[in-house]
Amino acid sequence: GESVGLHLPTLSVQEGDNSIINCAYSNSASDYFIWYKQESGKGPQFIIDIRSNMDKRQGQRVTVLLNKTVKHLSLQIAATQPGDSAVYFCAENINSGYSTLTFGKGTMLLVSP
Amino acid sequence: DVKVTQSSRYLVKRTGEKVFLECVQDMDHENMFWYRQDPGLGLRLIYFSYDVKMKEKGDIPEGYSVSREKKERFSLILESASTNQTSMYLCASSFGERKLFFGEGSRLTVL
Repeated sequence: GESVGLHLPTLSVQEGDNSIINCAYSNSASDYFIWYKQESGKGPQFIIDIRSNMDKRQGQRVTVLLNKTVKHLSLQIAATQPGDSAVYFCAENINSGYSTLTFGKGTMLLVSP
Repeated sequence: DVKVTQSSRYLVKRTGEKVFLECVQDMDHENMFWYRQDPGLGLRLIYFSYDVKMKEKGDIPEGYSVSREKKERFSLILESASTNQTSMYLCASSFGERKLFFGEGSRLTVL
């Protein structure tokens, strides 16, 4: 079957560079955002999340920035490594009843040595 | 660590066959989900469940059903598989917070 990475926007970087992956979300009422990493042939893995009462959150080598004014989310990866090559998805959610995550289509990150 | 286990990584079935995809989670999570993932379409929610014996339709439930008889197990059923159901199927679970934990996926090919 086709790889999930086909048809996706692609970001190509050199090892050691910082990477920035962008995501525009759709619903101004969303109050929770999350980033996942999906390597080829595997399920998505949680990277980092952020609530709408924050505009920045840092993890290990990753930072998520949230700009609610323009409904924009970004994931910054410091000192990118070949093992970071994967598809990255953002998702949003509204804290209301049985609401579920709405996923973006994803961006493929390719890291060359 | 949370573990979500999907019973089959790869399946090949024929049109019209009944297909069961099984998912088990080991963290006593209340919520379980089935998604399908297709190139260019991203993750689309098929069904989810917030409790035993409870189910809710997602965005694309047609052609699918689910079963949740025990808290840890959530099954996806294709009553009569069709070629347009060839896809990667992802199971996920969560508790309270909205962070989902995914399994490794089941790649289904329907001939």
